[in-house]
Amino acid sequence: GDSVTQMEGPVTLSEEAFLTINCTYTATGYPSLFWYVQYPGEGLQLLLKATKADDKGSNKGFEATYRKETTSFHLEKGSVQVSDSAVYFCALDTAGAGSYQLTFGKGTKLSVIP
Amino acid sequence: EAQVTQNPRYLITVTGKKLTVTCSQNMNHEYMSWYRQDPGLGLRQIYYSMNVEVTDKGDVPEGYKVSRKEKRNFPLILESPSPNQTSLYFCASSLRGPLEQYFGPGTRLTVT
Repeated sequence: GDSVTQMEGPVTLSEEAFLTINCTYTATGYPSLFWYVQYPGEGLQLLLKATKADDKGSNKGFEATYRKETTSFHLEKGSVQVSDSAVYFCALDTAGAGSYQLTFGKGTKLSVIP
Repeated sequence: EAQVTQNPRYLITVTGKKLTVTCSQNMNHEYMSWYRQDPGLGLRQIYYSMNVEVTDKGDVPEGYKVSRKEKRNFPLILESPSPNQTSLYFCASSLRGPLEQYFGPGTRLTVT
């Protein structure tokens, strides 16, 4: 079945450091890929998405590129802030193949220290 | 304001006492879904609904029921809760299909 594998956390970075959170997937068909973010005490929010190979999703300084050849969708940010501290979830959807579910990774907790 | 609301936000109950967690959205979304979040396991889908009167099982449906009688509401029912259903529950909705879901604030359930 479809699955998403994220790098294990927690990840602790100093403010202004470069961030990469790795995400790889296994899926039949051609999934859409997402990054969701969960701030402390809140529900998840969509951060960015990409719907086809080589698409780059971007939002709030975060970027991720849909790499079909490596089945990856790594999240990057050039300079993190304390306010980026949250749990980040990679997810995939294969609605095009008749599925109506999102499959989430286990989440990566990011802590940014001043 | 566009939002997904859940009630209650916190609930402590005892084994076997039926409970319902309500979920409502004001965005006229067709798709709604319930997830549970557990440490080390991430989010797992319990049930989803493509539209009124159309529901289907997710990955972990055992011990749960849902109904979708109105477009805006999607209650989660635990007929006989057990301690292994202690978890953080999220309701979500999207315009059509599971893409770009809007999540509620969560319901923390403890079953003793």
